[in-house]
Amino acid sequence: GDSVTQMEGPVTLSEEAFLTINCTYTATGYPSLFWYVQYPGEGLQLLLKATKADDKGSNKGFEATYRKETTSFHLEKGSVQVSDSAVYFCALSKGFGNEKLTFGTGTRLTIIP
Amino acid sequence: NAGVTQTPKFRILKIGQSMTLQCTQDMNHNYMYWYRQDPGMGLKLIYYSVGAGITDKGEVPNGYNVSRSTTEDFPLRLELAAPSQTSVYFCASTRQVLYNEQFFGPGTRLTVL
Repeated sequence: GDSVTQMEGPVTLSEEAFLTINCTYTATGYPSLFWYVQYPGEGLQLLLKATKADDKGSNKGFEATYRKETTSFHLEKGSVQVSDSAVYFCALSKGFGNEKLTFGTGTRLTIIP
Repeated sequence: NAGVTQTPKFRILKIGQSMTLQCTQDMNHNYMYWYRQDPGMGLKLIYYSVGAGITDKGEVPNGYNVSRSTTEDFPLRLELAAPSQTSVYFCASTRQVLYNEQFFGPGTRLTVL
């Protein structure tokens, strides 16, 4: 079946550091890919998405590029802030009229001042 | 717009007790979902619904039941609570648009002792 693999956490960085969180997927067909973020005590919210190969999703300084050749969708940010501390989830969807999401295990990110 | 609301926020159950987790959305979304989030395991889909009167099983449906009598409400029922059902439960909804984002509620933290 379909699956998403994320880099193990937790990840701790200093403010203004460069961030990469790796995500790879296994799926048949042409899934869409998503990054969701969960701030402490809250539900998940969409950070960015890409719906076809070579698309780049971006939001709030975060970026991720859909790489079909490497089945990857790595999340990057050039300069992280304390407010970016959260859990980040990579996910895929194949549509099929139900829009079900398959999630990775999540990566907890902590930014220290 | 309240978005997706869930009640209760926290609950402690004894083994064998029953309860219903409530979920309501005010965005007129066709699709609704129930996930559970276990530590280090990401989110797993329990049940989903593509419209009033239509429900289907996700990855981990055992021990749960759902109903969808209206567009707005999608309650999740636990009939005989077990310690393995200790988790955080999230309800989500989305419009019937290909690869649209899911909107999540704030979650219900359930402990079964």
